[in-house]
Order: sequence, then structure tokens, then C-alpha cells
Amino acid sequence: EDQVTQSPEALRLQEGESSSLNCSYTVSGLRGLFWYRQDPGKGPEFLFTLYSAGEEKEKERLKATLTKKESFLHITAPKPEDSATYLCAASTGGFKTIFGAGTRLFVKA
Amino acid sequence: EPEVTQTPSHQVTQMGQEVILRCVPISNHLYFYWYRQILGQKVEFLVSFYNNEISEKSEIFDDQFSVERPDGSNFTLKIRSTKLEDSAMYFCASEQPGYTFGSGTRLTVV
Repeated sequence: EDQVTQSPEALRLQEGESSSLNCSYTVSGLRGLFWYRQDPGKGPEFLFTLYSAGEEKEKERLKATLTKKESFLHITAPKPEDSATYLCAASTGGFKTIFGAGTRLFVKA
Repeated sequence: EPEVTQTPSHQVTQMGQEVILRCVPISNHLYFYWYRQILGQKVEFLVSFYNNEISEKSEIFDDQFSVERPDGSNFTLKIRSTKLEDSAMYFCASEQPGYTFGSGTRLTVV
């Protein structure tokens, strides 16, 4: 069964304290691995797409990496405005996308 | 920056009524999707749509649901005979590639 699991469920950081979020996936025929940010009451905001193991992408304080079984979202020197839920999603060959439950990130000033 | 627009932002409906949720995807995108998110739960895939037909649908997307692209711009999700458990945020997304989500329609069935 296709599955995406994110950990931890919640993460509390001090401003400037770098950390990583994990996304483990088991899907048949991975078409792409996506990371999104979701603020309360809003739709997911696209961050990155990763297509193959070894690929890395960066945007400001965020860096996403991909292996054959996992993806990591590294947050370097986070700020309070980075507080949000970060969602990982895997898209299969049939254009179906499976989301993880998300990691709620809290960054304290 | 191009946006996916959803209307209405909030809809309240009586159980058993039909609702139509509307989306205007980004104009040059080819793939369109509907997702839902029950409060506090995961985003769940409902259906994908390409070339004017459904390309994949989940177990949730049963005969109660239907999608249409009635013209070149709108993409609609119809829910017939709504149930209490249909209460959720419904998101439309389009892809070319990399999804862009709309801001969602909050459906409340009472």
C-alpha cells in the first residue's frame, strides 16, 4: 500500500536553531516528491519537487533532499515566520498524490 | 504570480443537498486535481483530471462525486446528496509541473 509518513509530528525550535524534518515514503512508481508549507486555514503552498534520489533543492532557509526511501527538509537558522505545517507528498505514476500528516513547526523568537 | 481561484470560500449546506465547488485553474496548466482535508487530518486525494477526463480517482471519490470542466477555464466538483462527513476543506490544484493549490472552500454540512 502506498504510504507517506512524516516525523516528528511537531517540532519546537528557538530562532536560529537548525533542524531537519523527515518524510519516509513507500509508493509504487514515484513520479515526484513534493514539499509544501501550509498555514492555518489556507491551502498548501508549493515549495519543492524532487524527482530522483540524490537530488537537492534550496530556497532561502530551506533545503530539500531525496533518497530512495526518504526525503528531508532541512531548515537553517529558522525565524518565527517559518512557523507552519510542512507537508510531504508523493506522486505516483497514476497522477495520484499521497500526503503525509505533516510536521507542525513552531519557531520561538 | 498566477493563482488558482476557488469559490465560494465557505459554503454551508443542509444534509442531502447538492453542492458545486468551483475552481479556476492556472490557464496553461494541463492537469487538475481535487483534494479534501477534514479538520485536523491529512490532505486526501480525490481525483485527477487531464484532457477532459478523469485520469485517476481515490476510493473516496464514489458516485456521490463528479467533476466537470464545462468550459476552458472552470473546473467544478459536484457533491450530490451531501452527508455530515463531507464537511471539510476542499482544495483544487493544477500542475505544470509542481502543484499550485487554491485557497480552498470550507464546506460545512449541517
